[in-house]
Amino acid sequence: GDSVIQMQGQVTLSENDFLFINCTYSTTGYPTLFWYVQYSGEGPQLLLQVTTANNKGSSRGFEATYDKGTTSFHLQKTSVQEIDSAVYYCAMSDYGSSGNKLIFGIGTLLSVKP
Amino acid sequence: ETAVFQTPNYHVTQVGNEVSFNCKQTLGHDTMYWYKQDSKKLLKIMFSYNNKQLIVNETVPRRFSPQSSDKAHLNLRIKSVEPEDSAVYLCASRGWGGQDTQYFGPGTRLLVL
Repeated sequence: GDSVIQMQGQVTLSENDFLFINCTYSTTGYPTLFWYVQYSGEGPQLLLQVTTANNKGSSRGFEATYDKGTTSFHLQKTSVQEIDSAVYYCAMSDYGSSGNKLIFGIGTLLSVKP
Repeated sequence: ETAVFQTPNYHVTQVGNEVSFNCKQTLGHDTMYWYKQDSKKLLKIMFSYNNKQLIVNETVPRRFSPQSSDKAHLNLRIKSVEPEDSAVYLCASRGWGGQDTQYFGPGTRLLVL
C-alpha cells in the first residue's frame, strides 16, 4: 500500500548548521507531496507542497524537490535557526477509493541549539 | 491566522467516562478530518467527512463516533474512554477541487486517568 518513510526521529543541530531530513514515498499513483511543521502547542501547518514531479517547493528557506526517479522528497535548509525547532512531517496525498486523505511520516523532532 | 477552532484545549477524565470534542472551520471548506496524535507524535487519520457525509472511517474502536451538523462543524465523541485514548486529537479541513492542503486546528489534549 501507499506509505511515507521518514528515517530520522530526532535531529539536534546548532544554529547555522545545514538541515537534511530524509523522506521517501511509495505509491502507484501521482501524489502531491507535502512538508508540514508543528510548533509546540500548535497543530501542524503547511510548510511547502509540490504537485508535479521534478519540481521544487520552497518556503522560509526550506526546500524540497519531488524526485519521481528516486521517490524522494527530502527537506533541506542551508542554515537553521533556533526558531526552526519543531516537529517536521513529510506527507503524501492519497486519492484512494475511500476519499482524499494524507499519509504522514513518523515526524522528525528538530532541536536547534543557540 | 486561525481558521480551524477546537474546544476544549485540554481535558482530563477517568476511564469509562464519555467525552465530546468540538471543531469548527471558517474556511468554507467541504471536507473535515479527525486525526489522533500519540505520545510519539505519530499522526493517524480517524475520520473524514465531506459535506456532512462520512467518507473515510479508519479502523478505530466503536466507542469513537464523529458527528456533523453542517459542513463547518465536525465533533468527536468518545463513549467510554480507555487509558490508550490519551492523546492529542487534531481536527483539519480541506478545500475543494485540486486544493490538497489541509488546515489543522490547535488540537485537544485528552488525558485519561
